[in-house]
Amino acid sequence: TQLLEQSPQFLSIQEGENLTVYCNSSSVFSSLQWYRQEPGEGPVLLVTVVTGGEVKKLKRLTFQFGDARKDSSLHITAAQPGDTGLYLCAGNSGTYKYIFGTGTRLKVLA
Amino acid sequence: NAGVTQTPKFRILKIGQSMTLQCTQDMNHNYMYWYRQDPGMGLKLIYYSVGAGITDKGEVPNGYNVSRSTTEDFPLRLELAAPSQTSVYFCASSQGNSPLHFGNGTRLTVT
Repeated sequence: TQLLEQSPQFLSIQEGENLTVYCNSSSVFSSLQWYRQEPGEGPVLLVTVVTGGEVKKLKRLTFQFGDARKDSSLHITAAQPGDTGLYLCAGNSGTYKYIFGTGTRLKVLA
Repeated sequence: NAGVTQTPKFRILKIGQSMTLQCTQDMNHNYMYWYRQDPGMGLKLIYYSVGAGITDKGEVPNGYNVSRSTTEDFPLRLELAAPSQTSVYFCASSQGNSPLHFGNGTRLTVT
């Protein structure tokens, strides 16, 4: 059974602080995606990483895929209240079956 | 563009009742998925389909059934509702390696 563990589970920080969210598995994934979900809505894709060691930047968000393609991280620089939400990683082992992580709930205080 | 549409948005069931959660997409995507999300948690895959007539079990299929008679529709059936099935259900679709497009969910309570 493939499992994706995210840490931390909850994070409450002040506006302007930096943070990192981790997504770890013992399984290898052919690609990994990060989503953000707001209350009452479905998750929305932030980024897809497919190559081991790949780093992608999306404004203040930096995503990294581990060299062995078993883990990933999301780093947010100078967090803003608009970054508040549930962050989810999702792995695909090449079968189009996407397995989601346990989620990290982020709250950024103004 | 409608994208992925789920109905109903909310439903309360009594234990032992049955219901069908509807999901339709207008993007001509081959792949469709049903997930459940318990409060504050990630999503668990119930069933998925790679095309019309083809379905497969996900992580938590027990108590559910699906069918995929057309590309557009992927209904999820609960035959004997149980309190453990209280959750928010999300349908999603994708094409190849494109991202998952989600509906806005169905909030189900079983009492």
